[in-house]
Parts: sequence; C-alpha cells; structure tokens
Amino acid sequence: ETGVTQSPTHLIKTRGQQVTLRCSSQSGHNTVSWYQQALGQGPQFIFQYYREEENGRGNFPPRFSGLQFPNYSSELNVNALELDDSALYLCASSLSARGGSPLHFGNGTRLTVT
Amino acid sequence: DQQVKQNSPSLSVQEGRISILNCDYTNSMFDYFLWYKKYPAEGPTFLISISSIKDKNEDGRFTVFLNKSAKHLSLHIVPSQPGDSAVYFCAASVNFGNEKLTFGTGTRLTIIP
Repeated sequence: ETGVTQSPTHLIKTRGQQVTLRCSSQSGHNTVSWYQQALGQGPQFIFQYYREEENGRGNFPPRFSGLQFPNYSSELNVNALELDDSALYLCASSLSARGGSPLHFGNGTRLTVT
Repeated sequence: DQQVKQNSPSLSVQEGRISILNCDYTNSMFDYFLWYKKYPAEGPTFLISISSIKDKNEDGRFTVFLNKSAKHLSLHIVPSQPGDSAVYFCAASVNFGNEKLTFGTGTRLTIIP
C-alpha cells in the first residue's frame, strides 16, 4: 500500500512568484485535504477536495487554489507569493470526508519565500 | 482566536511512567476529536479519536478522555516508551467529519530512558 507522497520536498521562491505543490493520495482514498503549518504552530486547514469538487475551505485568500484529478491526486497553487506563505504544506488523504476516516498525511513540502 | 489549545509546549516523562497530554477547546460545536503524533521531517500520524457521544476511548497503550462540560480532553500513554518521543497535536472538527480539522499548537513529549 503506497502512502501519501508530496513533491517537491523543499522549494525556495521569491515574493510575487507562483508555486504549484503536488500530492498523490494513498491508494483507494478519494478525499484530499491541504494544510499549512507555520513554524511553532499546528496545521491550518486550507481546503478539501472530494471526488474532484471542493468540499470546504478555510480562511485563506483566493490566491490559494487547488485541483483534484480523476486519479485523486491533487495540486495546491499559490499565486503572488508573500513572505508569510513560508511554511510546511501538508497534504492528507482519507477514504471519505466523514469521521471515522482519519486523515493520512504526507511528509510535506517546505516552502521558503524570500 | 485559538479554538483548540495545548497549553503545555513540552513535557518530559520517565520511561515506563504515564504520559498525560492535555487539550482544551472553546467551540461547543466540536463533536469529533483526534490526536496526531509527529516525528521531525515526517507528516502527522493518526493515533486515536473520540466522538462526543463517548467519554473514553482506548487503543492499546493510548487512551483518550473527553470531558464535554469542561471542554477538555486528554491523552494518556501507559507505559511510556522512548519511541513515543514526538510532537503531539490535538485536533477537533464538527459534524463528526474530517473536512476541516482545527489543530492545537502541539506538545513536545520527551521520554527519558
């Protein structure tokens, strides 16, 4: 069974640039969620996708956008990068959006914005 | 506004003893609670969960207790082992779902051999 994989593992971008982060869900999982973890903080919910449709969004501006593909892999896109976007971005997949279906996290992408 | 709070940033416990990690929440709509464990350079790993219709859930060495009136939950690890050294996050959601987990800031547990 393949777990959640994220790419790249590390990334350095300049303020104002755009970035795309990628995530492959665990086999059989149709729900993917993205979280941002700033230094010293807990993960913060960005959004969730269920069967290619957005299924909930946290308090993040529209420059944070996402996609889920038919194979349930996913992308997180961030436009007009700001210094505060520097964080660990975590992708998580689950069997469904219901409780009793815990999130399985990838190891994250460390984004640094300079 | 921190809706899920872990007020102890760190905790050290002797190997073999009980580790107790605490978590408080303010949103009375939360009805599903989870604990995740995180090692450095890895993503969080699910440990145990509890819904608001229960006050206790056990899984091996891990037990989670929920006190709804106090809006407090705790994770007990007995006996503590060196491999338990990690950062522990408490998380909560509404409607028994996982579409939006609200996490605490974490407690770093160190097990002393």
